Amino acid sequence: AQTVTQSQPEMSVQEAETVTLSCTYDTSENNYYLFWYKQPPSRQMILVIRQEAYKQQNATENRFSVNFQKAAKSFSLKISDSQLGDTAMYFCAFMSGNTGGFKTIFGAGTRLFVKA
Amino acid sequence: NAGVTQTPKFRILKIGQSMTLQCTQDMNHNYMYWYRQDPGMGLKLIYYSVGAGITDKGEVPNGYNVSRSTTEDFPLRLELAAPSQTSVYFCASSHGRLSSGNTIYFGEGSWLTVV
Repeated sequence: AQTVTQSQPEMSVQEAETVTLSCTYDTSENNYYLFWYKQPPSRQMILVIRQEAYKQQNATENRFSVNFQKAAKSFSLKISDSQLGDTAMYFCAFMSGNTGGFKTIFGAGTRLFVKA
Repeated sequence: NAGVTQTPKFRILKIGQSMTLQCTQDMNHNYMYWYRQDPGMGLKLIYYSVGAGITDKGEVPNGYNVSRSTTEDFPLRLELAAPSQTSVYFCASSHGRLSSGNTIYFGEGSWLTVV
């Protein structure tokens, strides 16, 4: 069974600095998707970035980028130029690409505080 | 541009009562999901569906039932509510095909308190 581990329950960063959130996962599959979701205090889940396992190039969305290491099963999120609005809970997620099911497994989350 | 819509947003239930959380999506997605999120925790999958007429259990299905009579709707039924079911419930959907990128879209959540 797949698992997703986020080893940092809480992190803080100074505004305008860079922070990296860690995520590791375990799977025997070769085709899958990885995601980072942001959950602000409103509790809405917002997609931050997505990575297809078959792509070697790391995904980038404006100030957000990932470091995808497939062999190490690692998928970290880097937030550059941190902003106060980045304060939120961040979830790493794994979605199977097998036809047997497309369940998404979430990590326990990392709470990020951006300080002024 | 509605996306995934859940109702109600807030509900207080007494122990032993039953209720249905409604979820509908207008993106013609095949896959739909129900998650629960307990305070300070990640999301746990309750049930999911890969198409109309097909449902399957997730990690924490006990105490819940679902149905999928149409592509759009995926209601979650709580029978005999218990305090352990106090949580925030998220409905979500995805296209489910690799060629589509498989982004999962979430509703805004339903806060349920059982007293």
